[in-house]
Amino acid sequence: GQQVMQIPQYQHVQEGEDFTTYCNSSTTLSNIQWYKQRPGGHPVFLIQLVKSGEVKKQKRLTFQFGEAKKNSSLHITATQTTDVGTYFCAGRSYSGAGSYQLTFGKGTKLSVIP
Amino acid sequence: DSGVTQTPKHLITATGQRVTLRCSPRSGDLSVYWYQQSLDQGLQFLIQYYNGEERAKGNILERFSAQQFPDLHSELNLSSLELGDSALYFCASSVDPPDRLNTEAFFGQGTRLTVV
Repeated sequence: GQQVMQIPQYQHVQEGEDFTTYCNSSTTLSNIQWYKQRPGGHPVFLIQLVKSGEVKKQKRLTFQFGEAKKNSSLHITATQTTDVGTYFCAGRSYSGAGSYQLTFGKGTKLSVIP
Repeated sequence: DSGVTQTPKHLITATGQRVTLRCSPRSGDLSVYWYQQSLDQGLQFLIQYYNGEERAKGNILERFSAQQFPDLHSELNLSSLELGDSALYFCASSVDPPDRLNTEAFFGQGTRLTVV
């Protein structure tokens, strides 16, 4: 079945440093979503990328979708302590019988040292 | 608050037992998804329902089953529990059917299951 790999698993950064997490799929994706899960919380939707090569920005967060629609990245500029949490990518692909399945990566846990 | 309600929040049970986790989706959402989150394992997709019908199955064990009722709430049944079933179980809902691509999922707070 479809696999979505995400690296790194953990990242510790000094406040103000940049952070990037990468996501790779074994198959071509219809779209990719990114979620953030704060410690003790539940995943919260951040953004969805649909088009090949698409780039979207949300303040200090930049999301990219690869040309082949098999990889994606999330880059945070000048991290803040409020960025702490686990960032998940989730790739959507056709699973048959007219349905699309959302497969999550294992996430990148970001720690920010003040 | 995502609007998705899961009960109970915590559950401690013994090996071999059976438990039922409940999920009420956001008002108007017809799709319900169940995920299992173990330490360092990310979110494992279990099963998906749309308007009462099963639409996709992921890595769900045969000891696990689920259903979505006419009022759209869903239950995940876990039986013959093993220590390894201890995890956080999330329910998510979305407004669109599974054949629509632009479907944002809203997650509940999760049920933390501990099998002892």
